[in-house]
Amino acid sequence: DGGITQSPKYLFRKEGQNVTLSCEQNLNHDAMYWYRQDPGQGLRLIYYSQIVNDFQKGDIAEGYSVSREKKESFPLTVTSAQKNPTAFYLCASSMEGLGDTQYFGPGTRLTVL
Amino acid sequence: QKEVEQNSGPLSVPEGAIASLNCTYSDRGSQSFFWYRQYSGKSPELIMSIYSNGDKEDGRFTAQLNKASQYVSLLIRDSQPSDSATYLCAVKWTSYDKVIFGPGTSLSVIP
Repeated sequence: DGGITQSPKYLFRKEGQNVTLSCEQNLNHDAMYWYRQDPGQGLRLIYYSQIVNDFQKGDIAEGYSVSREKKESFPLTVTSAQKNPTAFYLCASSMEGLGDTQYFGPGTRLTVL
Repeated sequence: QKEVEQNSGPLSVPEGAIASLNCTYSDRGSQSFFWYRQYSGKSPELIMSIYSNGDKEDGRFTAQLNKASQYVSLLIRDSQPSDSATYLCAVKWTSYDKVIFGPGTSLSVIP
C-alpha cells in the first residue's frame, strides 16, 4: 500500500532535549512538508523540500531542523531552541512540486514534560 | 500577504440537511483550491480539489468556486453524523510557492 508513515505516534520530551520525528513516503512524491498544528488552530508550515538535498524554511522554522537525504524520507528535529514545542506535527507530500495536492501522514503528537 | 479565511463555527446542522461551508481568500491570481476533512485527533484527508470556476461534484460533496468573488464553498448533501469534523480550506496561488490553509470550520451534524 502506498502512503505516508510517521513515527512515533506519541512522543514525550523533557525540556532541553532534541527529538527527531520520522516521516517516510512510498508514493514517489517529489515534495515533502512539515506542518505544526496547535489546538483549535490551522496548519503552519515549518519546512518544505521540493527535491533531495534541498529544503526551504516555512513560516515558523525557528527551533526546527530537517534533512532530505533520500526522496522518501524527510525527518524533522525539534531542538531545545524551540520554546513551545508541544503540538501535533503533520508530514505531507505532493507530486511535481509545491502547489499540487498534498497528502498527509497520521501525525505525531509531541508533548514536553 | 496571502490569507485564507473560514468561519470557525461550530456549524450545526440536523442529520439529512445540507451543510454549507464557506472560504474566502485574498488576492486574485489563485490557481488551485482544496477541501480537507479532519476528525478530532487525526490528520487531514483530502475531500476534493477544484481548479475552475463553477461546481464540481463528488458523491454527496459539491465544491463551488467563484474566482471573481474570491470564494470557494463546500456543500455536503444529506449530512450524516459521521460528517462531524473540522473542514479545512486550502489555496495555492500561481505566483506563490506555498499552499495556505484556512483555520478550519467545525461542523456538527445532529442526529
